[in-house]
Amino acid sequence: KQEVTQIPAALSVPEGENLVLNCSFTDSAIYNLQWFRQDPGKGLTSLLLIQSSQREQTSGRLNASLDKSSGRSTLYIAASQPGDSATYLCAACSGTYKYIFGTGTRLKVLA
Amino acid sequence: DAGVIQSPRHEVTEMGQEVTLRCKPISGHDYLFWYRQTMMRGLELLIYFNNNVPIDDSGMPEDRFSAKMPNASFSTLKIQPSEPRDSAVYFCASSFFWPDREAQYFGPGTRLLVL
Repeated sequence: KQEVTQIPAALSVPEGENLVLNCSFTDSAIYNLQWFRQDPGKGLTSLLLIQSSQREQTSGRLNASLDKSSGRSTLYIAASQPGDSATYLCAACSGTYKYIFGTGTRLKVLA
Repeated sequence: DAGVIQSPRHEVTEMGQEVTLRCKPISGHDYLFWYRQTMMRGLELLIYFNNNVPIDDSGMPEDRFSAKMPNASFSTLKIQPSEPRDSAVYFCASSFFWPDREAQYFGPGTRLLVL
């Protein structure tokens, strides 16, 4: 059974810092992995999707990597800004094409 | 495109009442997913459809929950009778050519409170 873990649960950094969010999964037989952002009281915004055949994806200041053999994905945020403050969720697709979500990392970027 | 549309955005009801949540997926998307988010359990998949057909409903908590997709542009999630433990945010998401090509795109959610 797939389990997805995100560490740390919360993170506070000063503006301008580069940071890495971690996502671990137990079953390496995944079809894809997606990173989302969720603002308080809001829905999920898709950030990056990595297919199982890919190693990384980039969008602006965001870069996500995937290492299936070690069961890990990382989301790299460059030059963080206060507007990046949100909860970041990863979701791994495995089994019968279902997403299993991590519990998220609450990020706060201080001005 | 307007994105995934959900209604109502907020619902407050009393225990025992029937609740119907609605979702309109992104036009052209052939997969539709219903999720529930709570503080205790996080985000959980309830059911998903492909071309209007339910594919996996193993996440539906019990017989009080039912979901339908009568056509490609509309789906409902019904709870009858509702209970206080059903209080949660319910999200609908859609995708195209899942899981090989497109990401899942989420609606704004319906915040349900059962008193």
